[in-house]
Amino acid sequence: DIQMTQSSSSLSAYVGNTVTFTCRASQGIRDSLAWYQQKPGQAPKLLLYTASRLASEVPFRFSGSVSGADYTLTIRDVQPQDSATYYCQQYYSLPYTFGQGTKLEIK
Amino acid sequence: QVLLVQSGAELKNPGASVKISCRATGYTFSASSMHWVRQAPGQSLEWMGWVSAGDGESKVSQRLMGRVTISRDTFATTGYLEVGRLRSEDTATYYCARGGKSCRSAGCLDVWGQGTSVIVSS
Repeated sequence: DIQMTQSSSSLSAYVGNTVTFTCRASQGIRDSLAWYQQKPGQAPKLLLYTASRLASEVPFRFSGSVSGADYTLTIRDVQPQDSATYYCQQYYSLPYTFGQGTKLEIK
Repeated sequence: QVLLVQSGAELKNPGASVKISCRATGYTFSASSMHWVRQAPGQSLEWMGWVSAGDGESKVSQRLMGRVTISRDTFATTGYLEVGRLRSEDTATYYCARGGKSCRSAGCLDVWGQGTSVIVSS
């Protein structure tokens, strides 16, 4: 199975700042990576797919990139409503696997 | 409006089975796939398997094979997840999700159900 490792279990940011989440795959996944946002008591919501493509109705403040085996989610101009846990997921090979999640606290 | 609506919460004894439904509306059900993902309390997400709504082909995570069945009813535009021989570790919120067609193998999950809580306890 492909292991997805998110580098931080939690991050904090001030409103208006930029925050970056990182996810590393244990083997090549050819950009078959999605990012999800999950708020307490809610289902996850797709933010990005194919590493950098924005899902429908997701604000342009969210963006994704890749460098080698490291995939990055960046939120610019962080807002209070961005407080959530963020997960990466690879869908390159079965079984699809998720990272352990990074919780974002807004200061 | 694209929606996935799941059946209600379940409380089951160890060793029992549970079957969860997920009704799809607002899109062509048979043209998509349906995935199942679960989340134990305070934990990350675990992909369980998927079914092709068109031809019914399904794949279950090897870790769960033998205990999990994923199926669909195209006339009812509904997907189903059945988990047998339940144990306490199966206590989780179970989600259905649509496979996104823009993604390789429709493996990204672009629409999610609201979740179904399953508690396994005697």
